[in-house]
Amino acid sequence: DAKTTQPPSMDCAEGRAANLPCNHSTISGNEYVYWYRQIHSQGPQYIIHGLKNNETNEMASLIITEDRKSSTLILPHATLRDTAVYYCIVRVEGSGGSNYKLTFGKGTLLTVNP
Amino acid sequence: DTAVSQTPKYLVTQMGNDKSIKCEQNLGHDTMYWYKQDSKKFLKIMFSYNNKELIINETVPNRFSPKSPDKAHLNLHINSLELGDSAVYFCASSHWSLYGYTFGSGTRLTVV
Repeated sequence: DAKTTQPPSMDCAEGRAANLPCNHSTISGNEYVYWYRQIHSQGPQYIIHGLKNNETNEMASLIITEDRKSSTLILPHATLRDTAVYYCIVRVEGSGGSNYKLTFGKGTLLTVNP
Repeated sequence: DTAVSQTPKYLVTQMGNDKSIKCEQNLGHDTMYWYKQDSKKFLKIMFSYNNKELIINETVPNRFSPKSPDKAHLNLHINSLELGDSAVYFCASSHWSLYGYTFGSGTRLTVV
């Protein structure tokens, strides 16, 4: 799986948009970009994923650059409960064996301040 | 209903003991995983089972033995516990070819 680079920490004011960047310059054509988050003492939670196009769901939006070398996770109106470590992961899809493992890096600690 | 449930939530035990952690998922997923999160908060995959077959074993000491009686259950048995085994262990499940892992809430193991 391609490696990702994320800032170790970010701050955001409550109610404002949180934009979390991720670099994945060595991503392959068949690798998806996934975002997970881990709120303190809980299990990681799936947020969103995408291949080329921008994606949006009820939790967040994912913006992937045209060259696919970087992406941004957007939480449109951050709340205190969004304080968590956010992980950007790239992974192949639809294949078996060890390719299925989700490899977590260090992630970005997002702190939402009142 | 809890999608991925682990028991126990907390486990404190002495060095040298043998313990088990149980995991069950009711999502109909066919693949299950065990992850370990150490004190530095790194999440590392340990094992993965697909339809009761071991597909990933990440050079985990053989004191750790996963057991999958059916595709809804993946238990982790640990022999001869060591201090370094203290960590939070997360179970997860997914469908073989679809996105999104669902994680359990974790089991905090403390070896004293």
